[in-house]
Amino acid sequence: DGGITQSPKYLFRKEGQNVTLSCEQNLNHDAMYWYRQDPGQGLRLIYYSQIVNDFQKGDIAEGYSVSREKKESFPLTVTSAQKNPTAFYLCASRLGQGSYEQYFGPGTRLTVT
Amino acid sequence: AQRVTQPEKLLSVFKGAPVELKCNYSYSGSPELFWYVQYSRQRLQLLLRHISRESIKGFTADLNKGETSFHLKKPFAQEEDSAMYYCALTGNTGNQFYFGTGTSLTVIP
Repeated sequence: DGGITQSPKYLFRKEGQNVTLSCEQNLNHDAMYWYRQDPGQGLRLIYYSQIVNDFQKGDIAEGYSVSREKKESFPLTVTSAQKNPTAFYLCASRLGQGSYEQYFGPGTRLTVT
Repeated sequence: AQRVTQPEKLLSVFKGAPVELKCNYSYSGSPELFWYVQYSRQRLQLLLRHISRESIKGFTADLNKGETSFHLKKPFAQEEDSAMYYCALTGNTGNQFYFGTGTSLTVIP
């Protein structure tokens, strides 16, 4: 463990509020990813970033936003526009070109009521 | 569209029995295929990658391009193999990954 961290482990918010999930890595990896994990649906890609100051939408980007101002950080904001925000969120990183293994964080469980 | 299908949500086998976790994919190109595993209270981690052709913890997986399958196999299941298994693919750039819905394997003592 270690290398890629997510905080907090559990997060509770009221409906209508934006919330930001933290993801930090000290692996010197170029690429970072955000996934959403729901029961029976596996992992679905929200956003990914190959390099600093660049990111692309995944399959379910609506209602989410990201930034990549530093190599080691890739925060995810769940906005009030996300219709079903309650889920388990996983962050991952990958070394970069030519390397395919993703390293996952421990996850953040977000509950919105 | 890119897609990874794992038809079994739950799979139970007895210790010492062979196990096969199925994975089928569709991809317009040459995919890189992977199996990831998540043991209880641990992080999701890479188990094996098709191109390495390694056997990890006794597991193997062969890419069958004709059947677009990448089934995970082990001849003799162990209790410690009980976990959630995800099949995943990416293209040759490794930019975007697609995961299946996962199979929960239980090995019965």
